[in-house]
Amino acid sequence: EAGVTQSPTHLIKTRGQQATLRCSPISGHTSVYWYQQALGLGLQFLLWYDEGEERNRGNFPPRFSGRQFPNYSSELNVNALELEDSALYLCASSRVWTSYNEQFFGPGTRLTVL
Amino acid sequence: AQTVTQSQPEMSVQEAETVTLSCTYDTSESNYYLFWYKQPPSRQMILVIRQEAYKQQNATENRFSVNFQKAAKSFSLKISDSQLGDTAMYFCAFPNNNAGNMLTFGGGTRLMVKP
Repeated sequence: EAGVTQSPTHLIKTRGQQATLRCSPISGHTSVYWYQQALGLGLQFLLWYDEGEERNRGNFPPRFSGRQFPNYSSELNVNALELEDSALYLCASSRVWTSYNEQFFGPGTRLTVL
Repeated sequence: AQTVTQSQPEMSVQEAETVTLSCTYDTSESNYYLFWYKQPPSRQMILVIRQEAYKQQNATENRFSVNFQKAAKSFSLKISDSQLGDTAMYFCAFPNNNAGNMLTFGGGTRLMVKP
């Protein structure tokens, strides 16, 4: 069974640009979560998608947005990039969103904003 | 709001010895799960062990076990017979039942296993 995949591995942008990060969940998983792992700030929840809908978002500005496609893959968009957006962005998927269910993580996308 | 605290930013242990990583949390829920995740230097996070709050028995997975103290809201991870491959960041995590089980993470503990 293929794991969660993310692309690209690394992304370098300049301030003010837009970044698009992609995630493919494990087959059969309908829930996709996005987390930001920034130096000094730890891991913070960004967004949750389930069955094509945004179900919840963390304490991040609206320039962080995304979507989930019919095949359950997901895209995270970050507009008007700021230097502090530099971080590792992790995507996770789970079969159903019950608290028992493990979230499986992808390898992450390292976003660097110059 | 739920909070998760890991008070040991860094720890080291000799190969084959035992180490315990601490985690405390705060919640008003009565039934919940707790997780320990491992993030090796290659970055992919994997689940190490999970504990259900209403279960009295501490969870065990091979060399990994937890000491769950519900009243004290403490959830420590014990690694026995430490191996070089255990070198990683370890995160204690709490799923928010009321928010699609998004995870609240502790700040992490960087564990170095020395030969």
